[in-house]
Amino acid sequence: EVQLVESGGGPVNPGGSLRLSCVVSGFDFKKYNMHWVRQAPGKGLVWVSSVVDSGDYSYSSDSVKGRFTISRDSAKNSLFLQMNDLKAEDTGVYYCVRDFFPDCSTLSCYGGGFQHWGRGILVTVSS
Amino acid sequence: SYEVTQPPSVSVSPGQTATITCVGDELGEKYTSWYQQRPGQSPVLVIYQDSKRPSGIPERFSGSNSGNTATLTISGTQSIDEADYYCQAWASSSVIFGGGTKLTVL
Repeated sequence: EVQLVESGGGPVNPGGSLRLSCVVSGFDFKKYNMHWVRQAPGKGLVWVSSVVDSGDYSYSSDSVKGRFTISRDSAKNSLFLQMNDLKAEDTGVYYCVRDFFPDCSTLSCYGGGFQHWGRGILVTVSS
Repeated sequence: SYEVTQPPSVSVSPGQTATITCVGDELGEKYTSWYQQRPGQSPVLVIYQDSKRPSGIPERFSGSNSGNTATLTISGTQSIDEADYYCQAWASSSVIFGGGTKLTVL
């Protein structure tokens, strides 16, 4: 069974930092692109960052570029999101997400979509 | 930047067909996925590559994508289908989600 379990969320002051982790199991982690998607309270889904299966390339939305860094550690079966200079608008539930297809060389991964989602972890940025 | 637009809400009677659209410039030239999110739950992939259903998704869910519009169709809608639905596409090294459509079954 595929599992993705996020941790590291919580309250933080504006300008502060947090590091989210996602430990995965049930599949060969190094074969899949991984993503972070967030959802502000009562709002829609918003893509945050992605990293390809090899870890060689990563992508981020304009709203977090320069502040957030996505990374992965295959030895630990873990995905990370380092979040710096946090703002109130970063508040929300952050989901760790896995692609549908393995062995993709591109972000769009043959259009397979995001097949597996974690339960999410809440980040609250407020003074 | 690329954007896709969904209607905020759609209503349907039980047993009828629900249609949710996602509109973007030349969207038909990109792959589109659809997600269902029930209150308090994580999203679930219901359609990928425009029209394919993952294992376990009921046959009443179908998708199409042509021109500027991708469409999610739910045939014989049931009360359990009441949820938020999001379309998603890729553009210029980024991932784009629609704003979401709340489907009400009444």
